[in-house]
Amino acid sequence: KAGVTQTPRYLIKTRGQQVTLSCSPISGHRSVSWYQQTPGQGLQFLFEYFSETQRNKGNFPGRFSGRQFSNSRSEMNVSTLELGDSALYLCASSPEVAGDPGDEQFFGPGTRLTVL
Amino acid sequence: TQLLEQSPQFLSIQEGENLTVYCNSSSVFSSLQWYRQEPGEGPVLLVTVVTGGEVKKLKRLTFQFGDARKDSSLHITAAQPGDTGLYLCAGAQEDSNYQLIWGAGTKLIIKP
Repeated sequence: KAGVTQTPRYLIKTRGQQVTLSCSPISGHRSVSWYQQTPGQGLQFLFEYFSETQRNKGNFPGRFSGRQFSNSRSEMNVSTLELGDSALYLCASSPEVAGDPGDEQFFGPGTRLTVL
Repeated sequence: TQLLEQSPQFLSIQEGENLTVYCNSSSVFSSLQWYRQEPGEGPVLLVTVVTGGEVKKLKRLTFQFGDARKDSSLHITAAQPGDTGLYLCAGAQEDSNYQLIWGAGTKLIIKP
């Protein structure tokens, strides 16, 4: 079974631009979560989608948005990029409810975004 | 403010030594997971602990969930260079719709 894939792997943008990142979950997984990872801050939860609906949302500004398609693939968009948005963006899929006891999250390799 | 505090933040030891890393909170969790992340990759689940006082072993790794389900520890015996990585703990709380809360991680380097 193929793992979680994320595209692109690396991205360089300038302040003020917008960016769209893509995530393809493991086949059969309906829950997709997005995280921002920066050194010293660990994983900061952005949002979780399940069956095309945003089910949970973290404390990020409205510049960060996402969506999920009927095939469970997900995209996240960041508009009006700021220098502080430079980070590794990770996507994770799971079969059902993220965080349920014993429910594992399967991560992709991430997209490294650099904002200049 | 991190709800899950991991310590130490960074640890560099020689191959063959033992070590323990901690994941502490003042909150109760219904379950706690440990992940390891290697450079250029996403985190990979090592173990999930659910019951207070539970101990799970994975080869040279021993995981323990505190009796009150507020803290956890990971002990590595005879560390090897292949254990190098970022160790992350993540807890699930029923109040937060089981959304995982993550610690900042312990960066572990095992020198040959």
